[in-house]
Amino acid sequence: NAGVTQTPKFRVLKTGQSMTLLCAQDMNHEYMYWYRQDPGMGLRLIHYSVGEGTTAKGEVPDGYNVSRLKKQNFLLGLESAAPSQTSVYFCASSYSITSGGQETQYFGPGTRLLVL
Amino acid sequence: AQTVTQSQPEMSVQEAETVTLSCTYDTSESDYYLFWYKQPPSRQMILVIRQEAYKQQNATENRFSVNFQKAAKSFSLKISDSQLGDAAMYFCAYRRTSYDKVIFGPGTSLSVIP
Repeated sequence: NAGVTQTPKFRVLKTGQSMTLLCAQDMNHEYMYWYRQDPGMGLRLIHYSVGEGTTAKGEVPDGYNVSRLKKQNFLLGLESAAPSQTSVYFCASSYSITSGGQETQYFGPGTRLLVL
Repeated sequence: AQTVTQSQPEMSVQEAETVTLSCTYDTSESDYYLFWYKQPPSRQMILVIRQEAYKQQNATENRFSVNFQKAAKSFSLKISDSQLGDAAMYFCAYRRTSYDKVIFGPGTSLSVIP
């Protein structure tokens, strides 16, 4: 099992450019999440998904869009990058409560994004 | 709204000694989950230990143990026999059971002195 993987590991963007971050998990988890981590602020939830074809907003969704077309993939898009989106982005996945599995989230290695 | 507070931005411990990291949280729920995650310089988030609120027994995982005080809404992490590899950022986290958002505290940076 590769667990949770993220692509790319590091990216530099200019203001106004767009990009997509890819998260993939091979644990057959129903739930997937995108967080951003900024110094002194811990992790903040951007968007999450409770199943294929469904997404929901987290704490800080503005400026981001997501899609979950396949159960194993969760994409995070930035349509017009801004310097305020410079951060480290983490993807995570977990079983659902109703599946009787663990409630623990499994994290990817993170993506460092720098917006100039 | 639920919140998670870690009042110690930085801590240090001598190698082989014991250190306790503090965490408090605020919730009106009676059933929930609490976690400690470790984030080393590699930035990977690694689960250290988890505690179910309905369990009175404190969780233990090798050198890591928690002191869960439900009434006080306190969830501290004790690291025994500290090792150089324990140096990392530690995040306390809370998760309701009704839906699956996890709320993280701001983190405590732990240094281990040889």
